[in-house]
Amino acid sequence: QVQLLESGPGVVKPSQTLSLTCAVSGGSVRNGSFYWNWIRQHPGKGLEWIGYVYWSGMTSYNPSLKNRLTISVDTSKNQFSLKLSSVTAADTAVYYCARDRGFDRSGYYQGALESWGQGTLVTISS
Amino acid sequence: DIVLTQSPGSLAVSLGERATIKCQSSHSVFYTSNNKNYLAWYQQKAGQPPKLLIYWASTRYSGVPDRFSASGSGTDFTLTISSLQAEDVADYYCHQYHSTPWTFGQGTKVEIK
Repeated sequence: QVQLLESGPGVVKPSQTLSLTCAVSGGSVRNGSFYWNWIRQHPGKGLEWIGYVYWSGMTSYNPSLKNRLTISVDTSKNQFSLKLSSVTAADTAVYYCARDRGFDRSGYYQGALESWGQGTLVTISS
Repeated sequence: DIVLTQSPGSLAVSLGERATIKCQSSHSVFYTSNNKNYLAWYQQKAGQPPKLLIYWASTRYSGVPDRFSASGSGTDFTLTISSLQAEDVADYYCHQYHSTPWTFGQGTKVEIK
């Protein structure tokens, strides 16, 4: 069973860059079947998909964040990362990393997020 | 973007009674190539990450109790808890993975009456 663990600063100053890492255990980010995702949840609110990265480095981003967002993968450390620049109070949220169900043997995407980290609260504050 | 609209926003159900949550999509999430609806349901308890309950709109994920069932196709979907238990108190979200950006419904809070 794959396990995911987010890490990073709990407080980031406005206009700075938010950086988080998701360490993967019990599985490999090099497994070509899966997308590795970031999702956030504003306090008391619903879920927002941020984007994903594939083991090759291919990414897909939410257009609402695309101009400020970089998601990358480090196969040597078996982890993937999120960088969100020029943050404001509106970026205060719990950030989750998650792995989806990947692709089946026929190559169809199976989607759905089956493994989640516990989440980390990031507060944007001076 | 595909917009998912859940209803109701919250509901209170007596223990042992049925709870029904609806999710309506602004666009079909049915993929004709493999005849699958690219829709999932999650349960999120307070202070915890979401847990996958249902994928392909109606397939229970491993370990999910059979009191949870789901149905629907195209743009209209339903999650049903057939006999509400105390441990089912949570927020429930639908999620489409048909088209990026993946999107979620706004959530439904289920409480005990």
